[in-house]
Amino acid sequence: AQSVAQPEDQVNVAEGNPLTVKCTYSVSGNPYLFWYVQYPNRGLQFLLKYITGDNLVKGSYGFEAEFNKSQTSFHLKKPSALVSDSALYFCAVRSEGRALTFGSGTRLQVQP
Amino acid sequence: GAGVSQSPSNKVTEKGKDVELRCDPISGHTALYWYRQSLGQGLEFLIYFQGNSAPDKSGLPSDRFSAERTGGSVSTLTIQRTQQEDSAVYLCASSPGQGNTGELFFGEGSRLTVL
Repeated sequence: AQSVAQPEDQVNVAEGNPLTVKCTYSVSGNPYLFWYVQYPNRGLQFLLKYITGDNLVKGSYGFEAEFNKSQTSFHLKKPSALVSDSALYFCAVRSEGRALTFGSGTRLQVQP
Repeated sequence: GAGVSQSPSNKVTEKGKDVELRCDPISGHTALYWYRQSLGQGLEFLIYFQGNSAPDKSGLPSDRFSAERTGGSVSTLTIQRTQQEDSAVYLCASSPGQGNTGELFFGEGSRLTVL
């Protein structure tokens, strides 16, 4: 079985401050990890993924995520938040031959 | 097409009626997925098609739900005898099928309301 946990329903951060959205996962075998973003009344958009290699992956809109195998985590980060980053963020994991499993989502609110 | 297309975008139906939701994936994508997103909730996996392989139906919540994919392209999700708890946004996604590593491209979803 595979699962994803996003422990925070909502994260609030001031514009210009760094942000972190947490994600931990459980999977048999090697994990393939993804972050998606959902803006209001829009479909989900791919942000970044970890497949193999460097533990720090960079994605769209200045976001990055760090894969930590020992902590089974894949936290999403950005050095300086923008108001326009406010959205719903989903972490997802898959393993060999399985469909992608999503977390429950974290709402990011960036205050001006 | 340029992206994943879903229809209808909105569907209101009465309890007990059958509904069909359509997904037109990106041309050439071999993998197709259906997810369900209830208000304020995460994405619930329903079914996954990969090429000519047997679909992974492990996420279908009951035998009232079924899906098919004709000719490796368009997919239809059918919900029979709809119930109020079926109300949700049904999302379709396709992927180039790069094994397990390709990202999914999502449609805008079909919002189903069962009265």
